[in-house]
Amino acid sequence: GAVVSQHPSRVICKSGTSVKIECRSLDFQATTMFWYRQFPKQSLMLMATSNEGSKATYEQGVEKDKFLINHASLTLSTLTVTSAHPEDSSFYICSARRGADTEAFFGQGTRLTVV
Amino acid sequence: KNQVEQSPQSLIILEGKNCTLQCNYTVSPFSNLRWYKQDTGRGPVSLTIMTFSENTKSNGRYTATLDADTKQSSLHITASQLSDSASYICVVISQAGTALIFGKGTTLSVSS
Repeated sequence: GAVVSQHPSRVICKSGTSVKIECRSLDFQATTMFWYRQFPKQSLMLMATSNEGSKATYEQGVEKDKFLINHASLTLSTLTVTSAHPEDSSFYICSARRGADTEAFFGQGTRLTVV
Repeated sequence: KNQVEQSPQSLIILEGKNCTLQCNYTVSPFSNLRWYKQDTGRGPVSLTIMTFSENTKSNGRYTATLDADTKQSSLHITASQLSDSASYICVVISQAGTALIFGKGTTLSVSS
């Protein structure tokens, strides 16, 4: 299967700072990337969908000014958590796919801890 | 409303035993159904992908079944191993491929 790489795998940041998470498709061009958030023992919750070169579509209840998503190229999308708070601590996962009818592959996730 | 329900929520079995996880869905129209394995602190990894016309698909010790009429799927794990301990997530994809609806997962613990 195709490889999607997330970086970093773990990050600890102070309250009020911003942190950027990268999602790269290593061996294919991803027209669409998805960002998920997962709380302990919960399912993945879709935060936003981004198509290369256009603005991300955010799910209801997700603050677009707080969770900035950039999908500037076909192999890279970034999620920036701005002015992080302890309640933003969570597991963030990205997935990427070539086209609408193709399988989405998941990154290994990023554990964010805000102290 | 499109929903995916999984049962049981959690399961503990002895190493070497078999187990079956269930997934019921109400997604319509439907494109395909996928089972993923998610190890703690890792991203999900695909186990099987089944389209509307497929009834069963195997991947090693994992066998998935699909009944599109009753909108039920199951994942059978044979001769479980300690490394099978993980969360198993059922995901249903809408026909246009625009929506992935996730179940909450079944947490499997295999003990020796």
